Amino acid sequence: NAGVMQNPRHLVRRRGQEARLRCSPMKGHSHVYWYRQLPEEGLKFMVYLQKENIIDESGMPKERFSAEFPKEGPSILRIQQVVRGDSAAYFCASSPGLGRANEQYFGPGTRLTVT
Amino acid sequence: AQKITQTQPGMFVQEKEAVTLDCTYDTSDPSYGLFWYKQPSSGEMIFLIYQGSYDQQNATEGRYSLNFQKARKSANLVISASQLGDSAMYFCAMREGAGGYQKVTFGTGTKLQVIP
Repeated sequence: NAGVMQNPRHLVRRRGQEARLRCSPMKGHSHVYWYRQLPEEGLKFMVYLQKENIIDESGMPKERFSAEFPKEGPSILRIQQVVRGDSAAYFCASSPGLGRANEQYFGPGTRLTVT
Repeated sequence: AQKITQTQPGMFVQEKEAVTLDCTYDTSDPSYGLFWYKQPSSGEMIFLIYQGSYDQQNATEGRYSLNFQKARKSANLVISASQLGDSAMYFCAMREGAGGYQKVTFGTGTKLQVIP
C-alpha cells in the first residue's frame, strides 16, 4: 500500500513563473491537506480539500495560490507568478475522511526554490 | 494567542538518556487531539504518537510516551533511551473538533541533538 506521494520532490522556478505541485493521497483516502513550511519554522495550514470540493482554504494567500482535488487524479497546488518568499517546503497529507484528522499521513514534501 | 507552544528551540541529550520535549496548547473545544511528529534532516514528517482529549491513559509507542496533563494543557513528549537517530526536529500539533471538519495546528518545533 503506497503512502502519500508528492512530485516533484524539488522544484526550481524563476520569479514570475508558475509552480504546480502534485499530491496523490493514500489509497482509500478522499481528503487532502496542504501545509507550507518556511525555513526554520513549523508547518502552517493552507487548505483542506475533499474530492471536487474545497472544505477550508482559510490558510491560503488571497492571491496567486489555488488548489484543487479533482474526481480523478492528484490534488494540485498551483502558485502563479512565484516570488522569492514562496520558497518553502510544501507538504500534503491525506486522511480517510471527515472527522479523522488524527489519521493524517504526510507525503515527503516538495521543496520549492524561487530564484 | 498561540494554539501550540513549544518553548525549547533546541535540546541536547546524552545517548541512552531520556529526554522530555515540552508542548502546551490552548483550546476551548472539549474534543481535541494532540500529535507529535519527527522531522529528520531529510525533511519528511514522521508520525510518532497521538493522544485524544478523552483518552484515560497516556499514549505510548515504543520508546515514545506522551505525558498528557489536561488541567495544565500540556502534552510533553518523553523519549526514553535516546539514540543517535533521534536527532531531528520534533513538532507538536493539535486537532480541534469532533467529527466533521478538523483543522490541525503545528508548533514551531524543537531541535533535538543526541550526543554520543
